[in-house]
Amino acid sequence: EAGVTQFPSHSVIEKGQTVTLRCDPISGHDNLYWYRRVMGKEIKFLLHFVKESKQDESGMPNNRFLAERTGGTYSTLKVQPAELEDSGVYFCASSQDEGYYGYTFGSGTRLTVV
Amino acid sequence: AQSVSQHNHHVILSEAASLELGCNYSYGGTVNLFWYVQYPGQHLQLLLKYFSGDPLVKGIKGFEAEFIKSKFSFNLRKPSVQWSDTAEYFCAVNAYSSASKIIFGSGTRLSIRP
Repeated sequence: EAGVTQFPSHSVIEKGQTVTLRCDPISGHDNLYWYRRVMGKEIKFLLHFVKESKQDESGMPNNRFLAERTGGTYSTLKVQPAELEDSGVYFCASSQDEGYYGYTFGSGTRLTVV
Repeated sequence: AQSVSQHNHHVILSEAASLELGCNYSYGGTVNLFWYVQYPGQHLQLLLKYFSGDPLVKGIKGFEAEFIKSKFSFNLRKPSVQWSDTAEYFCAVNAYSSASKIIFGSGTRLSIRP
């Protein structure tokens, strides 16, 4: 089966610009998660979708971040406007159940804001 | 709130040395525990997981971890490391009651000298 796909793999943007990250989960996985790792720190939870609904968005840093999952398939994470502190690696993961048994991760998008 | 502490940020070993990476978590209830690994240029992969039963769990590539409930610990071990074990290792916990939102530690970078 195909894994979790994220693109772009790298993105370099200027402060104030907008960037949209995309995640395609494993087909049939209702649960989709976004995480972020900044500057070698811990991988921090951003939000969790169940199908198209936001189950938990407690980790979203502020209202410059907007996540969507239209139709319950792929998801996008938009950062608008981007700030320097948004730089990091954004991971997407999916699971069939509610994460009891772990997630399958994508390879991440490395975002650099200059 | 749940948290995960990984005591070593960077560990350097020679091939054939034994490995133990520390992990402690803070949560008083029932937990699921995970170790993930990220090899250079690759995505996060599940190394092993603990849900219940035998506290000594075995994972892929000769890794094992022991859950010690009284110490809130889940240390990762390997008797003899290889150069190919060079990677970053993440301990993670999922509180059984919250279903999702796996919480990660800050990671331990393992470098193996050939």
